[in-house]
Amino acid sequence: DQQVKQNSPSLSVQEGRISILNCDYTNSMFDYFLWYKKYPAEGPTFLISISSIKDKNEDGRFTVFLNKSAKHLSLHIVPSQPGDSAVYFCAAVGGSNYKLTFGKGTLLTVNP
Amino acid sequence: DVKVTQSSRYLVKRTGEKVFLECVQDMDHENMFWYRQDPGLGLRLIYFSYDVKMKEKGDIPEGYSVSREKKERFSLILESASTNQTSMYLCALSSQVNYGYTFGSGTRLTVV
Repeated sequence: DQQVKQNSPSLSVQEGRISILNCDYTNSMFDYFLWYKKYPAEGPTFLISISSIKDKNEDGRFTVFLNKSAKHLSLHIVPSQPGDSAVYFCAAVGGSNYKLTFGKGTLLTVNP
Repeated sequence: DVKVTQSSRYLVKRTGEKVFLECVQDMDHENMFWYRQDPGLGLRLIYFSYDVKMKEKGDIPEGYSVSREKKERFSLILESASTNQTSMYLCALSSQVNYGYTFGSGTRLTVV
């Protein structure tokens, strides 16, 4: 049973345009959400997070939106740059458990 | 910054060999995790540990064991390597006060 779903395995956008990566979750206990970015042959690195008490968090070109009623979050990258090309993982955690549950990832390709 | 060191970047082992993957942290974080990453399957949790000598199974523990004799070191053991254990292995850690994970650079293991 997949509790965190990233339904798009891949996404391709043009440099300078907006990239929108989506994530859905099913577990109502999740109350903190994170996005990680992973380049090939490297470990994932933390990108941005959001608590369930907020609906938006912004950090430079990256913004995460949370819709609790829909159990949906999205990562917006504006403007997209070729260096943003990577696999993006959505993750969630909640309750007394510190264990993150990850989605399967979305491969973002930003074309020059 | 927290540093997570995985002993090898690339490993090639033969079927049936016993394989040790080492992960060392330079901080005093309690929680340590072993994941494997495979295309289309995302990050899957193998084992995790909340403290010295404590271990818990993740989602795919079969064929693996772990050891945590000291707080800074968490080892993943493949008792008898098989070709379906060819994968990227990632160690991660987190503290009790922060949901975010810090990942190591990963070990690309090939079993032939």
